[in-house]
Amino acid sequence: EVQLVESGGGLVQPGRSLRLSCAASGFIFDDYAMHWVRQTPGKGLEWVSGINWNSAEIGYADSVKGRFTISRDNAKNSLYLQMNSLRAEDTALYYCAKNMGGYFDYWGQGSQVTVSS
Amino acid sequence: EIVLTQSPGTLSLSPGERTTLSCRASQSVSSNYLAWYQQKPGQAPRLLIYGASSRATGIPDRFSGSGSGTDFTLTISRLEPEDFAVYYCQQYGGSPRTFGQGTKLEIK
Repeated sequence: EVQLVESGGGLVQPGRSLRLSCAASGFIFDDYAMHWVRQTPGKGLEWVSGINWNSAEIGYADSVKGRFTISRDNAKNSLYLQMNSLRAEDTALYYCAKNMGGYFDYWGQGSQVTVSS
Repeated sequence: EIVLTQSPGTLSLSPGERTTLSCRASQSVSSNYLAWYQQKPGQAPRLLIYGASSRATGIPDRFSGSGSGTDFTLTISRLEPEDFAVYYCQQYGGSPRTFGQGTKLEIK
């Protein structure tokens, strides 16, 4: 059974940093690209970042480029999102999602990030 | 960026009815790379359809997808109580991947 479990969310002040993690199991992790997708009541679902199996190809939404860094550790079956210079508009539920040909066939339950002073 | 517009915003229907949800793209979606997801309160999105018309593993055959180019539809042939949820379309033919704003299917 595929499982994706996010952790690391919380309440953080504007301008500070946070690191999200996603622990994967139930599939061969280094066979697949992985992504972060966030959701807010106002803006809905927004793709944030993606990384291919060997970290050679990485992409970011314009809204987070230069502030967020995606990475993975295939030995630990883990995906990460380092979020720096956080803004109020980064407040969202962050999902880790498994890529399958461009769409997302499995999602974690999400990790809430709240940016507020 | 490809903008996806879903309609209607909310649908009020009864179990047993048939419904069609619409997803319109601001430009043609290459290779019909269009997916549909279902999301229930407090849960992550669940993949229903990919490639515009292929059902994901374990998805009942009352769910079907169709369309091409800029116009896509998700049809639920006979609504079950568990089908009342929010439905999102997503395109993966262009960069960045984008989602529609969702259609909420509620019980009448």
